[in-house]
Amino acid sequence: GAVVSQHPSWVICKSGTSVKIECRSLDFQATTMFWYRQFPKQSLMLMATSNEGSKATYEQGVEKDKFLINHASLTLSTLTVTSAHPEDSSFYICSARETLTGLAGAPNFDYEQYFGPGTRLTVT
Amino acid sequence: GQNIDQPTEMTATEGAIVQINCTYQTSGFNGLFWYQQHAGEAPTFLSYNVLDGLEEKGRFSSFLSRSKGYSYLLLKELQMKDSASYLCAALDSNYQLIWGAGTKLIIKP
Repeated sequence: GAVVSQHPSWVICKSGTSVKIECRSLDFQATTMFWYRQFPKQSLMLMATSNEGSKATYEQGVEKDKFLINHASLTLSTLTVTSAHPEDSSFYICSARETLTGLAGAPNFDYEQYFGPGTRLTVT
Repeated sequence: GQNIDQPTEMTATEGAIVQINCTYQTSGFNGLFWYQQHAGEAPTFLSYNVLDGLEEKGRFSSFLSRSKGYSYLLLKELQMKDSASYLCAALDSNYQLIWGAGTKLIIKP
């Protein structure tokens, strides 16, 4: 199956610094990548949808200037947490979707998101 | 609004069968996913249903009723390693996944 990697797996940083998390699709081209955040004992919360070559679409309540997303290639998206604070400590997970087109360019309904292993961020 | 409901926690015995239910309300519908998530790890894909009926894959089966906005995940011959959270997610008309809060499944010997 398709493999998505994330780097780093875990990171500890000081309050006020910035942290960059990379998400890579290793064996397929991901036109769309998703960034999620998950606090302990809670479900995944979609932060933003990243499309290659265009600006990310942020969910309501997510500050785009704080969580910078860059999807410069079909295999790499990055999330930068700027001026991190302790409340940003969380499990950040990316997922990637390979857009397959069927007849007449319509999206293929055989759809799946492939998840990276996640990055645990602790801000002290 | 869009909403996914599933039980918060369930307990079952090793070797037994458990059914985890999920109801959904979404703007449009393009399928229902089940994911398994062990503590501290990312979700892993279990199943995808877009048509009514039962899909079987080894010890796991998933059922969908579009008219009722209802799905369930059935786990047979439970093993201790099945202890995890099970996430139900519906794909809306924009092909965005709407996630449930997850069901924590506890398996007892």
